[in-house]
Amino acid sequence: NAGVTQTPKFQVLKTGQSMTLQCAQDMNHEYMSWYRQDPGMGLRLIHYSVGAGITDQGEVPNGYNVSRSTTEDFPLRLLSAAPSQTSVYFCASSYSGQLNQPQHFGDGTRLSIL
Amino acid sequence: GENVEQHPSTLSVQEGDSAVIKCTYSDSASNYFPWYKQELGKGPQLIIDIRSNVGEKKDQRIAVTLNKTAKHFSLHITETQPEDSAVYFCAAFSSGSARQLTFGSGTQLTVLP
Repeated sequence: NAGVTQTPKFQVLKTGQSMTLQCAQDMNHEYMSWYRQDPGMGLRLIHYSVGAGITDQGEVPNGYNVSRSTTEDFPLRLLSAAPSQTSVYFCASSYSGQLNQPQHFGDGTRLSIL
Repeated sequence: GENVEQHPSTLSVQEGDSAVIKCTYSDSASNYFPWYKQELGKGPQLIIDIRSNVGEKKDQRIAVTLNKTAKHFSLHITETQPEDSAVYFCAAFSSGSARQLTFGSGTQLTVLP
């Protein structure tokens, strides 16, 4: 039982480059979300999804896009990377009735923007 | 919006002693309060949670208490062990317009053998 799987674990980008952070869950959870974690701070919600084809913005959505074509996958796209997006990104999932109350997190993608 | 303050930022205890971490929140519409444990290089792990209609919840060595009037909640770990060493985050879920978790800034707990 893999839970929530994130790839890659580490990435270095140059300013202006684009990339996609991958997230997959095998628990058939309805809700998925993306958070960023910055030093000395708690996690902040970027985007979330309540099911395939349905997404919405969280607290800090600017500069990020998401889509959800299947229950299992919820990729996060950086359109034009900026140094302010240097952070650790976590994907999370939760079952029905627990919107934005994550039960399971992946182990994160550590992203540096030069 | 919701504001969650967490204290202390660091906590060292001797193995076998108890540890207490406290959080306060500002939004009276908050109704769900989870606690997460994060080990180095890993994602947060949900360890216990409490809803606003309950005052206390226990799970083996860990317990959470909630005081809605004072808007604070606490994590209690008894008989601490070295493997309890980690960063602990509290969070509050607002049932108002935001409908999302607001996290505290974390507590680094070190259990000394």
